[in-house]
Formats: sequence, structure tokens, C-alpha cells
Amino acid sequence: DAKTTQPNSMESNEEEPVHLPCNHSTISGTDYIHWYRQLPSQGPEYVIHGLTSNVNNRMASLAIAEDRKSSTLILHRATLRDAAVYYCILVRTSGTYKYIFGTGTRLKVLA
Amino acid sequence: ETGVTQSPTHLIKTRGQQVTLRCSSQSGHNTVSWYQQALGQGPQFIFQYYREEENGRGNFPPRFSGLQFPNYSSELNVNALELDDSALYLCASSLQRGGTDTQYFGPGTRLTVL
Repeated sequence: DAKTTQPNSMESNEEEPVHLPCNHSTISGTDYIHWYRQLPSQGPEYVIHGLTSNVNNRMASLAIAEDRKSSTLILHRATLRDAAVYYCILVRTSGTYKYIFGTGTRLKVLA
Repeated sequence: ETGVTQSPTHLIKTRGQQVTLRCSSQSGHNTVSWYQQALGQGPQFIFQYYREEENGRGNFPPRFSGLQFPNYSSELNVNALELDDSALYLCASSLQRGGTDTQYFGPGTRLTVL
């Protein structure tokens, strides 16, 4: 079955860029890559998604490897409010839908 | 615009009992998904409903069942509760199904099974 693998935790200094990696070597051709983040005592919050090409939005950028077996979420300037658990998710749309969450990376931002 | 709401916020049950959790989707959203999040773990996909039909299911036994109503609110039912069912149950709604949909999550229901 498909899965995603992420580092358990990462640290960053405030105002510096952060690169959060995710491996998804078993990704299928029609699986989308989503990223969500979860603050303490809250439900996850959407960050960004993509299929094959790199994507940018106001929150972050998503870089997807050419073979799609890995991706990287980029926060351009980390702030203290970005401290959260970041989840890389495969969204399987062929056949019955499935959302495959990774174990998440806890990001700590240092002032 | 009202966000996704869930009830109750907390619940305590004993092993073998049955439980019903409720979710009210964001206005206009016709797709709802349910997740189980054990302490310290990532959410695990239980199932998704699109326009009152089950649209996808994760690796959960049949004692986990659901309903979506015409107003797109939803219920998660769990029968024969086990200790391992203790978790945060999250509901998420979206405008449409598919790989490009953005899910909006509720705050969750914390279920404790004794």
C-alpha cells in the first residue's frame, strides 16, 4: 500500500527558509500530493497541493521531484506561528478515494 | 461563513458500547471525510461520503460506519468499542471530491474507551 515518510522533527530559526522533505516512493500516476499542518488542539489546515509541477501559493511552495517519488514543502521565511506538525499526504483518486497521511514532521521555530 | 463543527467535543464510553459522532459541514460542501487520530500519530482515513454515498474507505473494519444526510451533515458510528478506538476523531468537508479539493477540518471529538 502507498505510504509517505517524513522526518520526525526539524528546527529552524525565525525568518529563515525551511525545507520539509517527504518520500513517497510508492506513489501512483494519479495520486495528488497534499500538505497540511496541525497546530496543537486543532484540526489540520491546508497548506498546498500539486500533481507533477512545482506549485506556489501565499503560504508556501511545493517542489515535486521529476519522478514524483519525493517532494519538499518550502516555507520561505519561517515565523513562530509556523510551528506545527506538517503532514505530507497522498490523495488517491483512482478507484475508491483514499487519503494517506504520513507520520508528520514537528517543526520548531526558534526566535 | 460557518466552519466545520463537531459534537460532542469529548466522550467517554466503555468497551463493547456503541457511539455516534456528528459533523456539520461547511456551507455548500457536499463531501465529508472522517479520520481517526491516535495520540502522537497522524490522522488515519476512515471513509469519505460524496452526496450521501460512500466514496472511499481506508483500512477500518465494518463496525465503523457512516451516514451523510441531504443537508450534507454526517455521522460516524462505531459499534462494539475497543480500547484501541480511543482517539481524536476528525471530520473534514470539501466543495468536491477529487485530488484538487481542499479539506476543511473540524476541531475533532476526543473519544475515550475504558
